[in-house]
Amino acid sequence: TQLLEQSPQFLSIQEGENLTVYCNSSSVFSSLQWYRQEPGEGPVLLVTVVTGGEVKKLKRLTFQFGDARKDSSLHITAAQPGDTGLYLCAGANDYKLSFGAGTTVTVRA
Amino acid sequence: KAGVTQTPRYLIKTRGQQVTLSCSPISGHRSVSWYQQTPGQGLQFLFEYFSETQRNKGNFPGRFSGRQFSNSRSEMNVSTLELGDSALYLCASSSRPGGSYEQYFGPGTRLTVT
Repeated sequence: TQLLEQSPQFLSIQEGENLTVYCNSSSVFSSLQWYRQEPGEGPVLLVTVVTGGEVKKLKRLTFQFGDARKDSSLHITAAQPGDTGLYLCAGANDYKLSFGAGTTVTVRA
Repeated sequence: KAGVTQTPRYLIKTRGQQVTLSCSPISGHRSVSWYQQTPGQGLQFLFEYFSETQRNKGNFPGRFSGRQFSNSRSEMNVSTLELGDSALYLCASSSRPGGSYEQYFGPGTRLTVT
């Protein structure tokens, strides 16, 4: 059983469309991290959110951390083929990172 | 700054054998964590080493073990391999222990057990 539930599991959209990935948990984390992983590579950190209610923007990517620090979302505006990959959320505490199962995003040209 | 390196990148072993995987962290990083990634279970935490000491261990059998050397390089060993051990094994380094600090992942070692 995953500590963090991600939805949807798969997402296929056309270039230029928007998408949102959700990450939910019953546990409270000190911070929540989002990673993107491409085939044959390790995950690469996109952002860390720490404060409940926090919103961070990285170009076309917007990350939100829920008020209770149990859930988060990743929104991509005007998706491009280069956004294709496996998106992973991970909850952090003093001991380790716990990962969600991931959302596979495919952006078609 | 050189990234995290893992060797070998690919490995094929037979059931019952043992295997050792290696991870060299980013220079100056003293924390190394190991993860197993499979299509069914996703990324699962194996263990973390900091300054040559195991700080935390995930829910894996004792066949999975590791160690860290004084130069922070780490090795992971799996004994008596089973088919279910086929996975991508990832290591991540960080400047501090625990999950709250930015972790840098290597490209992984793809282990296939036949």
